[in-house]
Amino acid sequence: DTGVSQDPRHKITKRGQNVTFRCDPISEHNRLYWYRQTLGQGPEFLTYFQNEAQLEKSRLLSDRFSAERPKGSFSTLEIQRTEQGDSAMYLCASSLERNQETQYFGPGTRLLVL
Amino acid sequence: KNEVEQSPQNLTAQEGEFITINCSYSVGISALHWLQQHPGGGIVSLFMLSSGKKKHGRLIATINIQEKHSSLHITASHPRDSAVYICAVRNTDKLIFGTGTRLQVFP
Repeated sequence: DTGVSQDPRHKITKRGQNVTFRCDPISEHNRLYWYRQTLGQGPEFLTYFQNEAQLEKSRLLSDRFSAERPKGSFSTLEIQRTEQGDSAMYLCASSLERNQETQYFGPGTRLLVL
Repeated sequence: KNEVEQSPQNLTAQEGEFITINCSYSVGISALHWLQQHPGGGIVSLFMLSSGKKKHGRLIATINIQEKHSSLHITASHPRDSAVYICAVRNTDKLIFGTGTRLQVFP
């Protein structure tokens, strides 16, 4: 257990439905990252926050995806109008803002869109 | 071409063998990470390197900044080392990951 938790761990949904995932980072960590990992691939960067500010978003993050970190603690990632191609593992990681810091990963949320 | 390439993609070994996994990258980096991912998804950070060599137990990681290459070595491999090993480079504020090397160690 790294101290980063994600909820839910698994989600099955029908195409077109909206889903929301939550990440609770290590409490003193001010940076929070979201990644997506498809089967047989390495994770891909989606977005990251420093405190409550969203500092960078990947081109992978279409307008159906939105992430928030309203109080600089937990974060949510919402996918609207899910598509089968959204099926993946969604990973959250947190770190301290410091040069070359280690990121601590959560267990991930596995999404299956039918 | 991926910005981070790993080889081999799959690796099988007998218990006790010495294992090497390679990582090459094509972008500027401030650090390189080696990560371990077990079935079920959990990712654990093994090493973070910006130069030279680090050792932790039976694991050794090296990096050559000039050649943009890193290696992860496992000495006296054990079945519990079976996992996916992922190389990731830190570019600006984000990590760019390789596709991973799936290692299976048989007794």
